[in-house]
Amino acid sequence: GDSVTQMEGPVTLSEEAFLTINCTYTATGYPSLFWYVQYPGEGLQLLLKATKADDKGSNKGFEATYRKETTSFHLEKGSVQVSDSAVYFCALNNFGNEKLTFGTGTRLTIIP
Amino acid sequence: DTAVSQTPKYLVTQMGNDKSIKCEQNLGHDTMYWYKQDSKKFLKIMFSYNNKELIINETVPNRFSPKSPDKAHLNLHINSLELGDSAVYFCASSQASGDETQYFGPGTRLLVL
Repeated sequence: GDSVTQMEGPVTLSEEAFLTINCTYTATGYPSLFWYVQYPGEGLQLLLKATKADDKGSNKGFEATYRKETTSFHLEKGSVQVSDSAVYFCALNNFGNEKLTFGTGTRLTIIP
Repeated sequence: DTAVSQTPKYLVTQMGNDKSIKCEQNLGHDTMYWYKQDSKKFLKIMFSYNNKELIINETVPNRFSPKSPDKAHLNLHINSLELGDSAVYFCASSQASGDETQYFGPGTRLLVL
């Protein structure tokens, strides 16, 4: 079946550091890929997405590129802020499957 | 003008009780979902409805019964609550065709004592 593997956290970085959170997937066909963010005490918000190979999703300074050859969708940000502290989830949606398959989440803490 | 709303936000109850969680979306979407997030933050699909019809039931105990009175609402009723049901329950919705992005509600934090 479909699965998503994320790097284990927690991840702690200083403000303005470079961020990478790794995500790889296993799926048949050509899934759509997503990053969702969950701020403390809140629900999930869509951060960015990509629907086909080589697409780059971007939002709020975050980027991720759909790499079919490595089945990866790593999340990056050049300079993180304290307000980026949250749990980040990588997810996929396989066409016709009608559900999101999530990774385990990565807790990110940014210290001033 | 909240897109996906859930009530209640918090629910504390005793083992053995029956409770319901309500979800409403005003996005005009065809498909609605319930997800469960456990204490380790792991998220898993429970149910999916499309135009009031059940599409996905992911081996959830039959104490959990979703009900969709119309395509804008998907409620979750839980009978005989158990300690292990303590979790955060998220409702989500999406359009059946085209953009399949799922939009989530704020979550209902259920604690069974």
